[in-house]
Amino acid sequence: DIQMTQSPASLSASLGETVSIECLASEDIYSYLAWYQQKPGKSPQLLIYAANRLQDGVPSRFSGSGSGTQYSLKISGMQPEDEGDYFCLQGSKFPFTFGSGTKLEIK
Amino acid sequence: QVQLQQSGAELAKPGSSVKISCKASGYTFTSYYISWIKQTTGQGLEYIGYINTGSGGTNYNEKFKGKATLTVDKSSSTAFMQLSSLTPDDSAVYYCAHIAANFDYWGQGVMVTVSS
Repeated sequence: DIQMTQSPASLSASLGETVSIECLASEDIYSYLAWYQQKPGKSPQLLIYAANRLQDGVPSRFSGSGSGTQYSLKISGMQPEDEGDYFCLQGSKFPFTFGSGTKLEIK
Repeated sequence: QVQLQQSGAELAKPGSSVKISCKASGYTFTSYYISWIKQTTGQGLEYIGYINTGSGGTNYNEKFKGKATLTVDKSSSTAFMQLSSLTPDDSAVYYCAHIAANFDYWGQGVMVTVSS
């Protein structure tokens, strides 16, 4: 199975700060990479698909980049509603696998 | 709008089985596969497998073969996942979802608790 190593495990950011979360795949996943946000007690919500495509309705402060084995999610200007858990998902090879998650909090 | 409505929480005894449902609405049911995902605090998110809602064909993560059985009822636009021979390690929130590029929808999740 493809291993997705996500970092950091937790992150504390001030309002307006730019933050980045990384996912490293154990092999090339050809940009089949999605980023999700999850709030407590809720289902995951898609932010980015195909590594860098913004899902409809997602604020433009979210962006994704990367290729090959290295991918990142950037939030340009942390907002209070951005608190939550974030994780990546590779859809290149079955079984799809998830990163271990990043807990993002307001400082 | 697209919705995946899952059944309610389950409390089950070790060794028993549970069957979770996922009723789809708002789109053509047989157009998209349904995936199933397990979420625990300790293990995070794990992909169980998917079912082709048109043919009923399935693909399981090796880890969940023998544990999960995926089925569909096209007449009611409902997918099912049966979990068998339950142990405390099966306690988790289970989601059904469409994961297909930007056609991405998840059910609300079902908490399964396995306890004697």
